[in-house]
Amino acid sequence: DAGVIQSPRHEVTEMGQEVTLRCKPISGHNSLFWYRQTMMRGLELLIYFNNNVPIDDSGMPEDRFSAKMPNASFSTLKIQPSEPRDSAVYFCASSLVANTEAFFGQGTRLTVV
Amino acid sequence: KQEVTQIPAALSVPEGENLVLNCSFTDSAIYNLQWFRQDPGKGLTSLLLIQSSQREQTSGRLNASLDKSSGRSTLYIAASQPGDSATYLCAVRGSGGYQKVTFGTGTKLQVIP
Repeated sequence: DAGVIQSPRHEVTEMGQEVTLRCKPISGHNSLFWYRQTMMRGLELLIYFNNNVPIDDSGMPEDRFSAKMPNASFSTLKIQPSEPRDSAVYFCASSLVANTEAFFGQGTRLTVV
Repeated sequence: KQEVTQIPAALSVPEGENLVLNCSFTDSAIYNLQWFRQDPGKGLTSLLLIQSSQREQTSGRLNASLDKSSGRSTLYIAASQPGDSATYLCAVRGSGGYQKVTFGTGTKLQVIP
């Protein structure tokens, strides 16, 4: 398996634009996580899906952020409209079940100017 | 709210030295604890996963221990090498309904040849 695949690796966009980040979890994994990493706040869990259903979205900073998982092999994190303070590295991770290791993608480095 | 602290924030040691990284958490109701390493500009690589019922896990030169009652975990690295230089993160999964994962702020390790 190629591991968790995220795209794009880098994204530069202007303030106010819509940004969509994509994630393909490891085949067979039923849990998927979106994280944001910044120097100031470290790694923060944004949202967590189990069997394609959002379980905990308490970490989503505000209504400008939304996440979907239309099927077991694909998830998106959308920011609309984007703001400079959204600049961060966004990671997607997946795990087989709750008590097993989480595997991370390489991340998407987002810069909003 | 679970809080995870890692001390020290940074550590520099000469090659060959044995070292211990610390992770403490405030809520002992955890499902498991996972140690990761992160290289600059990269994603997270899983090192060890300890279930709440376990006391320690070993992989090669790495040994992780867990004392759930005192809210502590340690990562022991034997005979450190320059290739061990990275940021080490611990992550705690809560045992509540949402099983939320909380990351520590990390320890940046530098092993000097």
